Amino acid sequence: QKEVEQNSGPLSVPEGAIASLNCTYSDRGSQSFFWYRQYSGKSPELIMFIYSNGDKEDGRFTAQLNKASQYVSLLIRDSQPSDSATYLCAVNRRGGTASKLTFGTGTRLQVTL
Amino acid sequence: DTGVSQDPRHKITKRGQNVTFRCDPISEHNRLYWYRQTLGQGPEFLTYFQNEAQLEKSRLLSDRFSAERPKGSFSTLEIQRTEQGDSAMYLCAGTGYGSPLHFGNGTRLTVT
Repeated sequence: QKEVEQNSGPLSVPEGAIASLNCTYSDRGSQSFFWYRQYSGKSPELIMFIYSNGDKEDGRFTAQLNKASQYVSLLIRDSQPSDSATYLCAVNRRGGTASKLTFGTGTRLQVTL
Repeated sequence: DTGVSQDPRHKITKRGQNVTFRCDPISEHNRLYWYRQTLGQGPEFLTYFQNEAQLEKSRLLSDRFSAERPKGSFSTLEIQRTEQGDSAMYLCAGTGYGSPLHFGNGTRLTVT
């Protein structure tokens, strides 16, 4: 079982719709959770991080965490073509924001016109 | 702009050659990380420094790989006797206390 699992996609959503990206993790000791966006040929860019169960909103992005189910998701509202990218989920076992991260393989999102 | 600079952006080398990459974080980044990303995969942790001390190394970091961070500022990652399997994007990330990981632009290595 992979430590961090994501559906590779592609996930195709029409412009203006909500994109829902999901991630599960195997280590119950994981304490911090991160979403990175990566455009083709570029390096990952941090979008959001979440530590506590529940929702965290930042603009059009909402991160959702359910530690009991070992599940974290990212919702993108009003999806735009510029959101088309690979979204990487990452977890940190030790807590705190800055430590060794374990990444999933990413979900490719395509926002269609 | 994360403030983390990597050089070069691209490197093409022949198998068996040595290569060295450089990473310059901002002064607030007391921690510096190296990751490697191959096509279709997420970044994989290689090693990290707190100031000048190398505190952890992944088993992915074979004897051919060495990293340094003299004086706790910039860092270098050297690969000796490169192999085709070393072809990847090498990512450097910096962070300070209480801040998340921010990556530089990466160095794409192609071993022919």
